[in-house]
Amino acid sequence: KNEVEQSPQNLTAQEGEFITINCSYSVGISALHWLQQHPGGGIVSLFMLSSGKKKHGRLIATINIQEKHSSLHITASHPRDSAVYICAVRSVGNQFYFGTGTSLTVIP
Amino acid sequence: GAVVSQHPSRVICKSGTSVKIECRSLDFQATTMFWYRQFPKQSLMLMATSNEGSKATYEQGVEKDKFLINHASLTLSTLTVTSAHPEDSSFYICSAFEVNTGELFFGEGSRLTVL
Repeated sequence: KNEVEQSPQNLTAQEGEFITINCSYSVGISALHWLQQHPGGGIVSLFMLSSGKKKHGRLIATINIQEKHSSLHITASHPRDSAVYICAVRSVGNQFYFGTGTSLTVIP
Repeated sequence: GAVVSQHPSRVICKSGTSVKIECRSLDFQATTMFWYRQFPKQSLMLMATSNEGSKATYEQGVEKDKFLINHASLTLSTLTVTSAHPEDSSFYICSAFEVNTGELFFGEGSRLTVL
């Protein structure tokens, strides 16, 4: 069983659509990270969350600690949002666990 | 912001040779760095956790004698793929954990091709 489960695995959306990617985890965590990997391979950390909600531009990340669940939302999606989004959690023992990623394609 | 530099970005080598990949944290001290392998169209596979001044902790199924990790300073970790074979061809990525902020910063990745 994976410590981090992500869904969906693949997602295709029309430009302008609202997108949600979900992440569930089974370990006690210190923080949860949402990562973005573009086709070139580079990975950036979009958010680091330990509670509540964060917003950056068109991206919103939420976390529910009791339910061990986080969501990443993209509003008014754009083709440049096409990437792989990875959920990662840092356990209370500072171990990292990674989801399998969600491949997002936004069609113009 | 904090930057992690990984070098080389691409390397081609002959079967049987060894290849070293460097991961540097440029503006913070990283007591912990991570090494990942990524196969095409798949997510990151954590290979090992590299701790400054001590032995790396390898994930199950990762050969420690094949993938040598050294974290000799607070800003540098190296991954050496020893006696490389074509099946070692892959995209290798490092990341560094900044303790003060809890943030995780990633290198640009290194694409290894073994002929």
